[in-house]
Amino acid sequence: DAMVIQNPRYQVTQFGKPVTLSCSQTLNHNVMYWYQQKSSQAPKLLFHYYDKDFNNEADTPDNFQSRRPNTSFCFLDIRSPGLGDAAMYLCATSRLDEPQHFGDGTRLSIL
Amino acid sequence: RKEVEQDPGPFNVPEGATVAFNCTYSNSASQSFFWYRQDCRKEPKLLMSVYSSGNEDGRFTAQLNRASQYISLLIRDSKLSDSATYLCVVISIQGAQKLVFGQGTRLTINP
Repeated sequence: DAMVIQNPRYQVTQFGKPVTLSCSQTLNHNVMYWYQQKSSQAPKLLFHYYDKDFNNEADTPDNFQSRRPNTSFCFLDIRSPGLGDAAMYLCATSRLDEPQHFGDGTRLSIL
Repeated sequence: RKEVEQDPGPFNVPEGATVAFNCTYSNSASQSFFWYRQDCRKEPKLLMSVYSSGNEDGRFTAQLNRASQYISLLIRDSKLSDSATYLCVVISIQGAQKLVFGQGTRLTINP
């Protein structure tokens, strides 16, 4: 009965080959987030959606894009992954100003 | 100065010991505070919210000191299963949905 579901759990891609990570939720939360987390570091917010309103963090590289076609789904697109993009990518959801619920994460490896 | 700061540790304590973590935040207008727990290669999970009056959940006690802008987490009678990274999380701007994570404090409970 997972409430925030990320697919796949593990993703391997080649340097420069576009990749899409997906997140779905059954909580009907209006806010969805994407974080990047590297080893021994705190999660770093890339962007979030408040309903359909997209909010990009100032230091998120242009290489990272997102789509939210409906309340339940949100996608992270990495257009040209570099070696430095290897990380755990976490999706989270919440209601406004409430704690976030995280998915299991997708671990991305770049060959 | 980081918006949310924690001592990264690592802390190594014997089973049964009491351990305390502090976290400081820079934005005096911050309103909501949480402690998350993250196991190795897993997603962060909400441990507890932190309320102005302090709150307790079993062996865990969280406190907030607005004057000094820090929050604390106390773990009593620590168990081996408490070994994890503990993340301090602050909502710095209400309504803007910006949760800021500390870098985490790594705790290992030794038998």
